[in-house]
Amino acid sequence: AQSVTQLDSQVPVFEEAPVELRCNYSSSVSVYLFWYVQYPNQGLQLLLKYLSGSTLVKGINGFEAEFNKSQTSFHLRKPSVHISDTAEYFCAVSNAGNMLTFGGGTRLMVKP
Amino acid sequence: DTAVSQTPKYLVTQMGNDKSIKCEQNLGHDTMYWYKQDSKKFLKIMFSYNNKELIINETVPNRFSPKSPDKAHLNLHINSLELGDSAVYFCASSQDQTRGRELFFGEGSRLTVL
Repeated sequence: AQSVTQLDSQVPVFEEAPVELRCNYSSSVSVYLFWYVQYPNQGLQLLLKYLSGSTLVKGINGFEAEFNKSQTSFHLRKPSVHISDTAEYFCAVSNAGNMLTFGGGTRLMVKP
Repeated sequence: DTAVSQTPKYLVTQMGNDKSIKCEQNLGHDTMYWYKQDSKKFLKIMFSYNNKELIINETVPNRFSPKSPDKAHLNLHINSLELGDSAVYFCASSQDQTRGRELFFGEGSRLTVL
């Protein structure tokens, strides 16, 4: 069985500062990893995904993530955040049948 | 045009009632899902439905039943509602059930059981 742990439930950061949201996974099979974002009162939207190949994955809105097999991590980063990045961020792994197992989420709070 | 749409967006009902949430996708996808998000924002898969094959998360009570009249629709029926069923329910779809496919989510249906 695969599992995902997001180590931080909340991350406060000032506007234009860099941010890293941490995600660690556990898997006994080849792992497919995702980051989804949920804006208030909305559904989830894909930010980026890692299936294979380059370990540095670039996504929408200036986000990127790095797959690290030895540390079983898939941390999300952005060099300079905006107020509009305030949202809930979910790391997930894809299981059989393409069903996702999500981490507990990290609330990114960008302050002016 | 909304890709994945759910109705109703809000639903308030009494314990013991039966209710349904409808989901439609216009993406031509083969696979649809229902996820439950609890009050702590934790998301959990409930069902996956692909080409008339239903995959059920074993932790889902049998009071919950998905019904798919065609591949563009996957409705969720809930019988004998309980307080613990209060949550936001998200419908999603993907091109097929190949691992790694992007999921497209609806905006959610907030169910409150009193």
